[in-house]
Amino acid sequence: EIVMTQSPATLSVSPGERATLSCRASQSVSSNLAWYQQQPGQAPRLLIYGASTRATGIPARFSGSGSGTEFTLTISSLQSEDFAVYYCQQYKNWPPLTFGGGTKVEIK
Amino acid sequence: EVQLLESGGGLVQPGGSLRLSCAASGFTFSTYDMSWVRQAPGKGLEWVSGISISGGNTYHADSVKGRFTISRDNSKNTLYLQMNSLRAEDTAVYYCAKHLVNSLVMMDVWGQGTTVTVSS
Repeated sequence: EIVMTQSPATLSVSPGERATLSCRASQSVSSNLAWYQQQPGQAPRLLIYGASTRATGIPARFSGSGSGTEFTLTISSLQSEDFAVYYCQQYKNWPPLTFGGGTKVEIK
Repeated sequence: EVQLLESGGGLVQPGGSLRLSCAASGFTFSTYDMSWVRQAPGKGLEWVSGISISGGNTYHADSVKGRFTISRDNSKNTLYLQMNSLRAEDTAVYYCAKHLVNSLVMMDVWGQGTTVTVSS
């Protein structure tokens, strides 16, 4: 099973600032990585897949990078609606599909 | 509008059973792999089970293998999760999710979730 580790657990950022979230895989997943956003009380929403491709309707301020075992999600200028929990997920080797533990982006 | 609507959650005693359903609309259900993902209170996401377009291939997390069974009825555009021998640690919100392509990859459509509580 591929273990996904996200850091930091909590990120405090001011509106308008840049946020950088990290995700590490226990073994290479190539570019088979997705990022999701989850607002409180809501279902997750797909943001990025293929490590760097934005899903339909996702604003350009969200960008993903990396390959192999190290990945980054960057939010270039945080908007109020971006304060949420973010999860990475690998789909290179399954079953099982595995998620990281999440990074909570909170208002500083 | 593409939509997934889960139902069937509730309160059940340890050792009991529940059957979750997920009604799909707005897309051709029979051409996409589907999965169930759960989230325990205050915790992260955990993939539970996945199924191929025909239902001929099913996959389960080790934590539920032998207790949960995923299935689908393409004629009814519905995904199911039969949960037996339920444990307290199965308490969670259960989401059904559609995979973006015909494989267990990223999930681009999620339902609103149904809550399962296992408690005496």
